[in-house]
Amino acid sequence: DVKVTQSSRYLVKRTGEKVFLECVQDMDHENMFWYRQDPGLGLRLIYFSYDVKMKEKGDIPEGYSVSREKKERFSLILESASTNQTSMYLCASSLPFWSNQPQHFGDGTRLSIL
Amino acid sequence: EDKVVQSPLSLVVHEGDTVTLNCSYEVTNFRSLLWYKQEKKAPTFLFMLTSSGIEKKSGRLSSILDKKELSSILNITATQTGDSAIYLCAVEEGAQKLVFGQGTRLTINP
Repeated sequence: DVKVTQSSRYLVKRTGEKVFLECVQDMDHENMFWYRQDPGLGLRLIYFSYDVKMKEKGDIPEGYSVSREKKERFSLILESASTNQTSMYLCASSLPFWSNQPQHFGDGTRLSIL
Repeated sequence: EDKVVQSPLSLVVHEGDTVTLNCSYEVTNFRSLLWYKQEKKAPTFLFMLTSSGIEKKSGRLSSILDKKELSSILNITATQTGDSAIYLCAVEEGAQKLVFGQGTRLTINP
C-alpha cells in the first residue's frame, strides 16, 4: 500500500514565523502535491512537483514556497506565516499521468497561525 | 476558469437508505474524474472514471460518468453509519492537476 506521511497532525505557530511542513512517500512516486483544504472551498492546489528539484505553481501559491531535494520528500514552506494561512494542509503523491493511477493522500496537518 | 460543483453540500439520511451524490464540471482539458471518501484523515480513493456511460462498482458504491452532460453521480445503496464522511469529486485537468469540488458531507443516522 502507498504510504504518504506528513510530519505533524497538528501545528500551532505565530504570525511572522517561517513554517515548514514535511511530506514523505514510500512508493517511489514521481509526482508530489500540496493542497490546502478549507470549509466550503474544497481542496486547492498550492504547488506540485514532477521530479526532484522541479516545482510548478498551483492555483494559490502566494505566500508559499516548496522544496524537493529528494524524490521521496516534498516540503511546503510558509515564508512568513499569516493568520489567513490557518488551514488543513494535505500532501499527495502519484505516478506519472500516463499511468492512469490516482493521487494518494497523507492524513493532513492542521495548522493554526496565532 | 476550471470549476467542479458538487451537490448537495450536506445530506442526512437514515441507515439503509440509498443516496445519490452529484458532481458537475467545466474544465478545458478533461482527462478523468475521481471520487474520494474523507473521514477524519486522508481522502481515500474510490473511483476513477474516464469513459462515459460505463459504471464502476465496489460493493454498495457505484459511479458513472456522463461526458455529454459534464457530470457524474456516486450512488451508495443500503447505507451504513460507516459511510458517514465527506465525499470529494475531483477532475483531472491536463497532466494530473486535480480540480476539486467543495465536497458533500454525508451523515448516516442509525
